[in-house]
Formats: sequence, C-alpha cells, structure tokens
Amino acid sequence: DAGITQSPRHKVTETGTPVTLRCHQTENHRYMYWYRQDPGHGLRLIHYSYGVKDTDKGEVSDGYSVSRSKTEDFLLTLESATSSQTSVYFCAISGSGANVLTFGAGSRLTVL
Amino acid sequence: DAKTTQPTSMDCAEGRAANLPCNHSTISGNEYVYWYRQIHSQGPQYIIHGLKNNETNEMASLIITEDRKSSTLILPHATLRDTAVYYCIVRPSRNRDDKIIFGKGTRLHILP
Repeated sequence: DAGITQSPRHKVTETGTPVTLRCHQTENHRYMYWYRQDPGHGLRLIHYSYGVKDTDKGEVSDGYSVSRSKTEDFLLTLESATSSQTSVYFCAISGSGANVLTFGAGSRLTVL
Repeated sequence: DAKTTQPTSMDCAEGRAANLPCNHSTISGNEYVYWYRQIHSQGPQYIIHGLKNNETNEMASLIITEDRKSSTLILPHATLRDTAVYYCIVRPSRNRDDKIIFGKGTRLHILP
C-alpha cells in the first residue's frame, strides 16, 4: 500500500540464523505494529510501537525483538530463527485522525 | 485475547446482501468498532468504523446496536470479489496501551 513498504517480501533462511524484517513508512504516523499470520490463527500481534524508542509486547512476542530509532522505520528481529517462526509477517501503521490501520503487503518468511 | 467474537464462516449468494455479525459485549464507552477485510494473502484493508451511530460508505454499512454490544457489517450487493476474511475489532482510545488485537475473523464465501 502507498506509504508503507515491507522488506524483504520473501526470505528463506535456516534455523538458528538471525533475521531482520523492515517496515518503512512515509506517512509520519505515530503507531506501528508487527503481526504474524498463520493458518487457523488469524492475525496475531507481535510487538507494537507508540513512538520513537517506545515499544511494547503483543500477544506472541517470545523470540522476537523490535526497534524503532526513527519515526519511519520499525524493525522486527528474530535473533535465532526457528521453524515455528515460519509465517507471513504484516506491518501496519496508524496515526491519522480516524485511527485507521494501513497494512503493508506482507513478508513471507520460511525457516528451514 | 480478542474482544470480539465472530462466526468462523458464512456463505452468501452473489447479488444478495451479506450480513456479517460481530459480538463485542465488553466494549468500553470510548472504543470504536472497526471492520477490515483480507482478500487471499494480501494485507488487510480497512472497510468502515463507528462509535454508536450507524455508518455507511461506498463499501459497506455498519449497524451498531443501541447497547453497543454487537454490530453487523452489511455488504449490500455482494460480488465474487467480496470473498475474503472479515475482521471486526474494537479500538482503544489513542493512548500508550494501544494493543490492537484481531480475532480469527469470518471467512465469507460469495457463491455464484
């Protein structure tokens, strides 16, 4: 979607390797979110940020860390990827008056 | 946990109105009801939101009961392109604890 990009869009990695997914926005929105989506589980919140250097845990934060050093970027890091972290990861932003979430196109991660 | 409950799946004939229910019995006075949909593997897309009055836009109508404990999303003339997973969420007021939790949504099948 316009104003939010995720990278990489696809990644295959091996168990035990570190992985960083990037969410970049050009909307200057305050809030940013990382979700994962797996069959049968819908969207589950991993971490979210309510400002630069202000982050908090979501529903499924174990094994993940995040950083937000500037408004436009929200990084999701898997320090040591496991097969259970194979998933599609979505970033979302909000901050306009209506508090509508805008989602990125998703990053598909496969951990072998 | 998600603060909303929705049926797992629903069918609707093409050209008919699709009525998707959502229960949010613990909704707080300052929380809005938002609806999103996710088509195939794309990122979820905003549809509509409301506080207590009924709302309509070019995509859908939202009917919220007077006690605000439930709502219905109405797609007036469903088409095959409306086949998607529909999520109903309640959004806390914009503060530090802005965890946006999605449930599993309703998988809507539009039948030709």
